[in-house]
Amino acid sequence: QQQVKQSPQSLIVQKGGISIINCAYENTAFDYFPWYQQFPGKGPALLIAIRPDVSEKKEGRFTISFNKSAKQFSLHIMDSQPGDSATYFCAATRPSGSARQLTFGSGTQLTVLP
Amino acid sequence: ETGVTQSPTHLIKTRGQQVTLRCSSQSGHNTVSWYQQALGQGPQFIFQYYREEENGRGNFPPRFSGLQFPNYSSELNVNALELDDSALYLCASRPGTGGTDTQYFGPGTRLTVL
Repeated sequence: QQQVKQSPQSLIVQKGGISIINCAYENTAFDYFPWYQQFPGKGPALLIAIRPDVSEKKEGRFTISFNKSAKQFSLHIMDSQPGDSATYFCAATRPSGSARQLTFGSGTQLTVLP
Repeated sequence: ETGVTQSPTHLIKTRGQQVTLRCSSQSGHNTVSWYQQALGQGPQFIFQYYREEENGRGNFPPRFSGLQFPNYSSELNVNALELDDSALYLCASRPGTGGTDTQYFGPGTRLTVL
């Protein structure tokens, strides 16, 4: 019930195209869903996050779509650029007493071709 | 930059040894979490500290232990190192148990166990 399943494992997109990464979860206690971007040799950096009372959130070229009934959420990267080439992780978290642990998906390696 | 720093950047140890990894959180961030990221996988939650006490733990054995200090620094200690402990170790901080749920990651320490 703690798993977050992420797909695809890898994605190749042409410059200017749309990149779409999907995640699904089982635990309905999750109440915060962030997406992280990670470059080689670096720690994950927060891109955008959403709570389940909202169906969509947009920040610049990045959009999260959230389907609470299906327990699925996705990241859309519009006008993808070569600089977006990185590994993307979806995550979910829930309160557990006073602690909050992030449960991560397995990651998607995005390559944007020039 | 997240303002979270970690040291050392890289570390090589042999099986059975002990290791201490260090993290310095942003000022005012009194909650710190540690994660283990094996190659090609998402980070796995080890434990969380709040005001110098452990208040959440993932599925890691007791030979993984930690300390948090009043000056926003913290340590991860691993005893009796095993080959499978080779990974990137990440610390993440956030302002507290309330408020934002966003966790800010440091660049990580790459541990290699031979």
